[in-house]
Amino acid sequence: NAGVTQTPKFQVLKTGQSMTLQCAQDMNHEYMSWYRQDPGMGLRLIHYSVGAGITDQGEVPNGYNVSRSTTEDFPLRLLSAAPSQTSVYFCASSLRRVNYGYTFGSGTRLTVV
Amino acid sequence: SQQGEEDPQALSIQEGENATMNCSYKTSINNLQWYRQNSGRGLVHLILIRSNEREKHSGRLRVTLDTSKKSSSLLITASRAADTASYFCATGMDSSYKLIFGSGTRLLVRP
Repeated sequence: NAGVTQTPKFQVLKTGQSMTLQCAQDMNHEYMSWYRQDPGMGLRLIHYSVGAGITDQGEVPNGYNVSRSTTEDFPLRLLSAAPSQTSVYFCASSLRRVNYGYTFGSGTRLTVV
Repeated sequence: SQQGEEDPQALSIQEGENATMNCSYKTSINNLQWYRQNSGRGLVHLILIRSNEREKHSGRLRVTLDTSKKSSSLLITASRAADTASYFCATGMDSSYKLIFGSGTRLLVRP
């Protein structure tokens, strides 16, 4: 099925550990982004990419790295996990057009203990 | 800071009634979009309205946009229990592809 695939769905990390959240889309979307969702705060943009080899920071980039080596994949790396990074993470993609909606993945629920 | 703020934060209605949610934003926009999120799931795109449009319909959904007041409303007519979800507005600004989301309205439709 076409769409955005996120793995894993659930993850528990210890403080200081690193990990990579995977995001892949098969719709040939140029634009991809990562959001985190915390209770009562909506979605906040972490990083985004307008195409392979191009990434930029969003509202809350600290503690996260991204790369975009292919159109399909946009992994999010947590360098040294902290309890403040406990959240639900969503990947979204879109065609690189101004008036176009996003397709979201089903999310990764991350707990840092 | 959030670009869009939804009002009310929570809404409880009876099945068959209409549900109205409002969104206010701060800066000029290219478009405003509404998304639905069922509990524990990803967001689903519902409707997009461009800055030069005032009203748009899609099935039981009606969206209005007032750029002079920097506000939008989402009306769901003849609500169903399956409409129970959180609804988010998101704004697209200038020439960017970025969307900035509000904090959402939780809608409960009682059978």
